[in-house]
Amino acid sequence: QKEVEQDPGPLSVPEGAIVSLNCTYSNSAFQYFMWYRQYSRKGPELLMYTYSSGNKEDGRFTAQVDKSSKYISLFIRDSQPSDSATYLCAMSAGSGGSYIPTFGRGTSLIVHP
Amino acid sequence: DADVTQTPRNRITKTGKRIMLECSQTKGHDRMYWYRQDPGLGLRLIYYSFDVKDINKGEISDGYSVSRQAQAKFSLSLESAIPNQTALYFCATSARDSRGGYTFGSGTRLTVV
Repeated sequence: QKEVEQDPGPLSVPEGAIVSLNCTYSNSAFQYFMWYRQYSRKGPELLMYTYSSGNKEDGRFTAQVDKSSKYISLFIRDSQPSDSATYLCAMSAGSGGSYIPTFGRGTSLIVHP
Repeated sequence: DADVTQTPRNRITKTGKRIMLECSQTKGHDRMYWYRQDPGLGLRLIYYSFDVKDINKGEISDGYSVSRQAQAKFSLSLESAIPNQTALYFCATSARDSRGGYTFGSGTRLTVV
């Protein structure tokens, strides 16, 4: 079992839908949680960053962390075709001060007009 | 100009050839990383460097070597390329106090024939 599990999809939704993307993890030491967005033929870009449990909102995006269940989510409201991309979750712990994140494999999202 | 620049963007090379992928950054970050991305396998860490005199192996360093020529430059070499090194390669940087937030380059698509 990988430390971080993420359904690769693809997830196909109509424009305007609420999208829920999820990851589960096994390492209880993870404290920092990130979501990256990767467009085709581009490098990943940091979308959301949260520490420990709770919610964080940024425009149409909400990141949610439930450490008790080892489960994180990214919600996208009013999804747009421009949100079509691969979304990677990542998480890190303070192991030796390195904080090198462990990435999920990514979920491909397609928002169709 | 991009914050993290990778050259070349695309490269086709023959089995057994030596090849170097280059990365330069204008973020002023101390830490630099090389990842490869394969379909279904996600991002895997090859090497990382926390400063000019610090080089560390990642989870898949066999067949690769790196050189940190300056704070802003980090190159990846394949001494004798083999077909299963065909992949998308990303360079990334982070600040010293980062807890996993990276800035990625746009990637190098390498094909070994």
